[in-house]
Amino acid sequence: DVKVTQSSRYLVKRTGEKVFLECVQDMDHENMFWYRQDPGLGLRLIYFSYDVKMKEKGDIPEGYSVSREKKERFSLILESASTNQTSMYLCASSPPVQETQYFGPGTRLLVL
Amino acid sequence: QKEVEQDPGPLSVPEGAIVSLNCTYSNSAFQYFMWYRQYSRKGPELLMYTYSSGNKEDGRFTAQVDKSSKYISLFIRDSQPSDSATYLCAMDGGGGADGLTFGKGTHLIIQP
Repeated sequence: DVKVTQSSRYLVKRTGEKVFLECVQDMDHENMFWYRQDPGLGLRLIYFSYDVKMKEKGDIPEGYSVSREKKERFSLILESASTNQTSMYLCASSPPVQETQYFGPGTRLLVL
Repeated sequence: QKEVEQDPGPLSVPEGAIVSLNCTYSNSAFQYFMWYRQYSRKGPELLMYTYSSGNKEDGRFTAQVDKSSKYISLFIRDSQPSDSATYLCAMDGGGGADGLTFGKGTHLIIQP
């Protein structure tokens, strides 16, 4: 079974803090993704990576950055958290030529 | 025009009923179609995956794709209270490296 884990299920941070969300997959997948999910807006792609040290902007990259130093780990960084970044953050991974993505349990982030 | 349209519901049906969930899309390049199930405060879980037009059956679930009408469906037979969740359709044009395009999800309630 594919397993995608995320470092925290719930996180509360203050405005202006730097926030790190970590994602690890154990299936040797090349592709990894970060989404945020908001009521009424659905899932929106923030960044994705198709290889170590490679990254591509998704639909809503503003205010975020990512890091992929190892194949199994993909980190999402909020450089200076703002209240409008309160959301559910979902990490996913997939093999290189397969369209299906496998999701982690999500991190519910609250920025006060 | 939004790329993927999905009725948000809620859709409430009695236990044992046949459920029909649907998505329409506008991008004719989409070839890969998925259905995810998401329980409250959890990550999406892959349910069904189909390529191009046709039907695919897995237990009580049947996925149907009609590319000529740009319409996909998920049927659930003998629905159970444990099927209560949000169902997300997702699709992709191929390549595997970039993100999927998701519908916003339909909230399904199966009444015991």
